[in-house]
Amino acid sequence: KAGVTQTPRYLIKTRGQQVTLSCSPISGHRSVSWYQQTPGQGLQFLFEYFSETQRNKGNFPGRFSGRQFSNSRSEMNVSTLELGDSALYLCASSLAPAVYNSPLHFGNGTRLTVT
Amino acid sequence: AQTVTQSQPEMSVQEAETVTLSCTYDTSESDYYLFWYKQPPSRQMILVIRQEAYKQQNATENRFSVNFQKAAKSFSLKISDSQLGDAAMYFCAYRSATYQGAQKLVFGQGTRLTINP
Repeated sequence: KAGVTQTPRYLIKTRGQQVTLSCSPISGHRSVSWYQQTPGQGLQFLFEYFSETQRNKGNFPGRFSGRQFSNSRSEMNVSTLELGDSALYLCASSLAPAVYNSPLHFGNGTRLTVT
Repeated sequence: AQTVTQSQPEMSVQEAETVTLSCTYDTSESDYYLFWYKQPPSRQMILVIRQEAYKQQNATENRFSVNFQKAAKSFSLKISDSQLGDAAMYFCAYRSATYQGAQKLVFGQGTRLTINP
């Protein structure tokens, strides 16, 4: 069974631009969540999607948005990039929110560098 | 809001020896889950072990075991017979058992574990 796939693996963007990151969950997984990892702030929850609906959102500005498609694939978008957005963005999938004992499976992340 | 604290930024251990990583957390909830994840240089977060708060018995997965002290809000990870492949960043994480919070993990700052041959 293929794991969580994130594309691209690396991305370099300029301040002010926007970026879209993609995440394909494990087959059968319907819940997708996103995390930002930086040396200073550590791992922080961005948002979570289930059945194409955002269920939960972390404490990030509105420049960070996401969506989920009917096949459970998810994208996150960051508009008007700032230098502080440079981070590793991790996607995780699980069966469903109500299946509490379903662990989160993570992808290898997308390393975003903003110059 | 829940918080997770890992007080050891770095730890090192000799190969084949035992090491314990510390984690404390703060929550007002009575039902929740705790996890240890490892993140090797490949960047992928890999689940090492998990503990349900309602279970008194400490979880064990092969060479990995936890010491879960609910009253003290402590959740340490013991790695026995350390192997070179155990070298990684280890994160302690908290997950609420409520429906709304079920998919949100709160992570500690991590402990970098080095294995000396």
